[in-house]
Amino acid sequence: SQQGEEDPQALSIQEGENATMNCSYKTSINNLQWYRQNSGRGLVHLILIRSNEREKHSGRLRVTLDTSKKSSSLLITASRAADTASYFCATAPEANSKLTFGKGITLSVRP
Amino acid sequence: EAQVTQNPRYLITVTGKKLTVTCSQNMNHEYMSWYRQDPGLGLRQIYYSMNVEVTDKGDVPEGYKVSRKEKRNFPLILESPSPNQTSLYFCASSPRTSGAGTDTQYFGPGTRLTVL
Repeated sequence: SQQGEEDPQALSIQEGENATMNCSYKTSINNLQWYRQNSGRGLVHLILIRSNEREKHSGRLRVTLDTSKKSSSLLITASRAADTASYFCATAPEANSKLTFGKGITLSVRP
Repeated sequence: EAQVTQNPRYLITVTGKKLTVTCSQNMNHEYMSWYRQDPGLGLRQIYYSMNVEVTDKGDVPEGYKVSRKEKRNFPLILESPSPNQTSLYFCASSPRTSGAGTDTQYFGPGTRLTVL
C-alpha cells in the first residue's frame, strides 16, 4: 500500500529558482527518506530524517518533517538543469523494516 | 567501489520461460530487497531478506521467488513469467537487519524485463 503521497506530481521551474516538493503520509513513522531517480536509472538516496528530527540539510537540499501534520517537504535551492529527475519520498513504519515509496514527483529544470 | 550490481540489465523473454535476475552487493550489508517499478504505481516491494536464509514477502510477491544463501547475493526468480511481470526491477541493500526501519537503502541500476 502507498503510504507517502508526493505533491505536486510534476513541477517545472527555471534554472536558479527554488523547487519545493511535499510528501504526506498516513501512519506513524520511524524515518522518512527522499530519493532521486534519473530517467530509467537506479534510485539515489538524498536525505534520511528521523521522526525525532525536524529539519536536515545536505548541500542545496533542505528537508523538513512535521510529524503532527504527517508531512515532509524537500527544498532544492538554486536549482540546476542537472536536478531534472523524479523525486520520491519513502517512509519506514516504526514496527517493521519495510520502506514504502510514493509515486514520485517529476521535476524539470529549464536551462 | 561500494555498489549493488544486477544482471542482466535488459531482458526480453517469453511467457513461461523461467528466468533469474541476479543481485550482488559488496558492502557486507545484512538487509536486501527487491522492488518493481511501474508507471503510475511507483516502487513496490516484492521480497526482502534481513539475513542469510531469512526472507519474507513484500507487497507484491505473487509469481516471484527469492533465496539468500550467501550474504552478498539475493537472486530474484520468475518460475513462469507472464506479461504482467513486465517491469523495471530494482535490488537494494541496507547495512543492518532492521533495513529501512533505520537505514538508507542502496539501489542497483535496475533490470528492465519484458515478457512477451
